[in-house]
Amino acid sequence: DAKTTQPPSMDCAEGRAANLPCNHSTISGNEYVYWYRQIHSQGPQYIIHGLKNNETNEMASLIITEDRKSSTLILPHATLRDTAVYYCIVRVDPYNTNAGKSTFGDGTTLTVKP
Amino acid sequence: DVKVTQSSRYLVKRTGEKVFLECVQDMDHENMFWYRQDPGLGLRLIYFSYDVKMKEKGDIPEGYSVSREKKERFSLILESASTNQTSMYLCASSSDSLYGYTFGSGTRLTVV
Repeated sequence: DAKTTQPPSMDCAEGRAANLPCNHSTISGNEYVYWYRQIHSQGPQYIIHGLKNNETNEMASLIITEDRKSSTLILPHATLRDTAVYYCIVRVDPYNTNAGKSTFGDGTTLTVKP
Repeated sequence: DVKVTQSSRYLVKRTGEKVFLECVQDMDHENMFWYRQDPGLGLRLIYFSYDVKMKEKGDIPEGYSVSREKKERFSLILESASTNQTSMYLCASSSDSLYGYTFGSGTRLTVV
């Protein structure tokens, strides 16, 4: 599995967009980019995933560069409840016998400030 | 809602004890995973299973074993608990689709 690199921490003002970067320069063609977040003392929660096209859902947007070596998770209007650790991972298609297993790094601790 | 339930939120065990951590999911997912989470080390994969009675080693399987006798249940076993196994243990499940993992709330295990 490709490894990802994220900044250890970021701050964001409440109501502003939070842009969380992730580097995955060794990503393979069959690997997807996934984002999760973990609020203190809970298990990680799935946010969004993508292969090469930009994606948007009710929680966030995912921008993947054309060469797929990096991506950015965008929380358009951050709230205090978005304070969490955000993990960017790469994952093979789970139809593969690896069952889509992934390695999580340390993630980015996002602190949203009033 | 998909639910992944871990049997205990907090657990304290003595060194040398055999410890069972239980995980149950209710969405008929094929794949189940056990991770441990330690400060500065992120989430590390211990074992995973893609079918009943099937298991695969993850990145740090030493000192652990697993059991999956039924599709909905995946157990993590510490044969002889040691203090370096004090950690947060997270169970997750996923289907054979592109949707992501669903995690349980975690079990914080302390071995004394």
